[in-house]
Amino acid sequence: DAGITQSPRYKITETGRQVTLMCHQTWSHSYMFWYRQDLGHGLRLIYYSAAADITDKGEVPDGYVVSRSKTENFPLTLESATRSQTSVYFCACKGSGGWGEQFFGPGTRLTVL
Amino acid sequence: GQQLNQSPQSMFIQEGEDVSMNCTSSSIFNTWLWYKQDPGEGPVLLIALYKAGELTSNGRLTAQFGITRKDSFLNISASIPSDVGIYFCAGQVQGETSGSRLTFGEGTQLTVNP
Repeated sequence: DAGITQSPRYKITETGRQVTLMCHQTWSHSYMFWYRQDLGHGLRLIYYSAAADITDKGEVPDGYVVSRSKTENFPLTLESATRSQTSVYFCACKGSGGWGEQFFGPGTRLTVL
Repeated sequence: GQQLNQSPQSMFIQEGEDVSMNCTSSSIFNTWLWYKQDPGEGPVLLIALYKAGELTSNGRLTAQFGITRKDSFLNISASIPSDVGIYFCAGQVQGETSGSRLTFGEGTQLTVNP
């Protein structure tokens, strides 16, 4: 089924470990985004990408790394996880046309112990 | 960064009642979007607004792009239990050309009592 998928849906890790969250879309949309959702903060942009091999920082990029070697994939890596990175992470994508509509994946709930 | 003030933060209503929520900002927006998030899921787009003054409906939902371009509201008529969830406003700031970035409100948690 076409759309945007995220894996894993749930992840528990320990402080200091490296974690990679995967995002895959079947539409070949140009733009992809990573957000984190925390109580009281709504959705905050971590990183985004306008196309393969083009990425840029969002509002809260510290502690995260992204790459986009293929249009359909946009993995997010926590290089050394901290407790403050416990959150729900959402990937989104958007076509190059249109007026801003972003389409979201189902989310990954990450717990850092 | 840019801020959207979304209110109310939460609402508890009876089935059948109408609901209204809004977002305001000190910045001018050229696009307003309304999303709904069900528990354990990602936000789903409900309505997109592109022009100041625009009034758009989607079933029982109606949203308007404020004439000043600094606000938007969402109304839900005759609420039903499946309307439960978190509603987010989001906007694209005028002049935002890098990456089609959106600014999100903090959400309105809606509870509908049968």
